[in-house]
Amino acid sequence: VQLEESGGGLEQPGGSLRLSCSASGFTLSNYDMNWVRQAPGKGLEWISFLKSSGRTRYYADSVKGRFTISRDNARNLLYLQMDSLRVEDTAVYYCARGLGNYNALDVWGQGTTVTVSS
Amino acid sequence: SYVLTQPPSVSVAPGQTARISCGGNYIATKSVHWNQQKPGQAPVLVVYNDDDRPSGIPERFSGSKSGNTATLTISRVEAGDEADYYCQVWDGNSDVVVFGGGTKLTVL
Repeated sequence: VQLEESGGGLEQPGGSLRLSCSASGFTLSNYDMNWVRQAPGKGLEWISFLKSSGRTRYYADSVKGRFTISRDNARNLLYLQMDSLRVEDTAVYYCARGLGNYNALDVWGQGTTVTVSS
Repeated sequence: SYVLTQPPSVSVAPGQTARISCGGNYIATKSVHWNQQKPGQAPVLVVYNDDDRPSGIPERFSGSKSGNTATLTISRVEAGDEADYYCQVWDGNSDVVVFGGGTKLTVL
């Protein structure tokens, strides 16, 4: 059971990036999934949740209206579309699987780095 | 918004017991999870639903709650336990995940 993120890089403020999270050893659509980020030298910040049904999405206030979580069932991929990027979005972004009714994050990817700078 | 409060740092000698606290209003009504993050690595779940351990996590790691505080206890601490530890809950009132600020465990 593994997760692997990709798609990070350097982007200018106001730009867009799409992160991908590839799952192996399990089917994404059977689990709730999350995106969590960590700014340099800072703690963990949850940013988005997608329920296994695919019909329920939640976002942190810091990204609401700018980021969109989605899933491709056929390719077993989770996405995070990031628009209107800000300098403060600079962070390592992790995808994480949610376990049970209280969303314990039981499987984490290794993370992909996003840098927003002019 | 819901807040979880952790001490910034805890220090303990090898072989001793480390206790890391996580305070929050009405935390008794929430399921608390604990994640360990070693430098340069992704987090790892070490305790979930207050006091359950994922497979592969040593029995030295345990969780408990009392009043408005949850506690991660690490018995017989080893040098390899040195890491940042984050408590986490699901806040059903706001449909958000909340992390504590993290505690750096130093093994002396």
